[in-house]
Formats: sequence, structure tokens, C-alpha cells
Amino acid sequence: EAGVAQSPRYKIIEKRQSVAFWCNPISGHATLYWYQQILGQGPKLLIQFQNNGVVDDSQLPKDRFSAERLKGVDSTLKIQPAKLEDSAVYLCASSFQGPNTEAFFGQGTRLTVV
Amino acid sequence: GENVEQHPSTLSVQEGDSAVIKCTYSDSASNYFPWYKQELGKGPQLIIDIRSNVGEKKDQRIAVTLNKTAKHFSLHITETQPEDSAVYFCAASITGNQFYFGTGTSLTVIP
Repeated sequence: EAGVAQSPRYKIIEKRQSVAFWCNPISGHATLYWYQQILGQGPKLLIQFQNNGVVDDSQLPKDRFSAERLKGVDSTLKIQPAKLEDSAVYLCASSFQGPNTEAFFGQGTRLTVV
Repeated sequence: GENVEQHPSTLSVQEGDSAVIKCTYSDSASNYFPWYKQELGKGPQLIIDIRSNVGEKKDQRIAVTLNKTAKHFSLHITETQPEDSAVYFCAASITGNQFYFGTGTSLTVIP
């Protein structure tokens, strides 16, 4: 079974620039998450999709972050403009629809804002 | 929202010894508690999980216990091996699909 695919693996940008991350979840997984993991901390949920609808985006800084899930499959997360404090690993995860199901994580995209 | 605390932040053990990591959660409605292992440069990988209707679960050298009354759960690794060295995260789920993670424990197994 193919895992969650993310690209790029690494990205370095200057502050105030924009950046986009891509995620392809496991086939058949209705739920998709984007997490932000700052160095030395646990992952923090940014946004959760159920198919192509947003379930929870309460912790997404909407003035600079946006996300979409096209046709309920792939998803993109965008930051515009980036700040130094956005430097982190951005993890995408997916799971089957339903309660208490396992979330499978991708390898993440490491973003460095200079 | 849910608050998950994890201790210790770092743990070093001799190969063959046991390792224990503890987590507490704040919301009594949480009903699913997974544990993830994260190796350098990789995403978290589920190693074991427990649901609120079970007090203990074991999978080979790994076991998890849950005390709903005290709102804490623990990961136990026996007969540790160097390949167990990684960062371990506990998590709690309230709505079924939303996970709140602890701050992580960096485990080092000394050969």
C-alpha cells in the first residue's frame, strides 16, 4: 500500500515570500490533515478535511495560510507571506472516515524561512 | 481544547532495560490514545494505540496502559534495542479524528 506522499521534502524561502506544499493521501482515505511541527514540539493541527470539506481550521492562521483539497483527494497548503516563525516541518496525514481510526503520516516538508 | 502533557522529555536507558513514558490528558471525553514513533527526517509512525474501553494493550515488547479515572496513559518498552532510539509522541483524540499530541520524548538506547 502506497503511503502519504508529500512534496517538496525541503524548502528554503525568504520572509514575505510565498510557498506551497502538496499532499497526496492514501487512496480511499476520506480524512486529510495538515499539521505543523516546530522543532522540539509535537505536531499541531492546522486544518482537517473530510473529503473536500473543511472540518476544523480553528488553528489555521487564515491571514497568511490557506489550504484546499481538490476533488476530495490531493491537497495543497499555502503560506503567503511567510514569516520567520513559520519555519517548521509541515506534515500531511490521512485516515479512513470514522471514529478513532489510525492516521498515517507523510515524511513532511521542512520549511526554513530566512 | 484538549491538553496533553508528556514526560520525560528525554530518556536514556541501557540496551535490554525497560523504558516508560507517561502522558496525561485534560478532557475526559477523549476516547482514543495512539502512540507514535518518529525517526529523524521521517513522519510519525503509529506503534500502538488504546481505546477508552480497554485498560491495557500489549504488542510484543510494547505495551500501553490507560487509567481513565486519573486521565493518564503510559507506554512501556521492554528489552530495549538500539533501533528503539527515536522520539515518541503520545496523542489523545476527542472527536474521533482530531489528535492532540504531547511534546515528545527523545529516547536513547545505549548499546
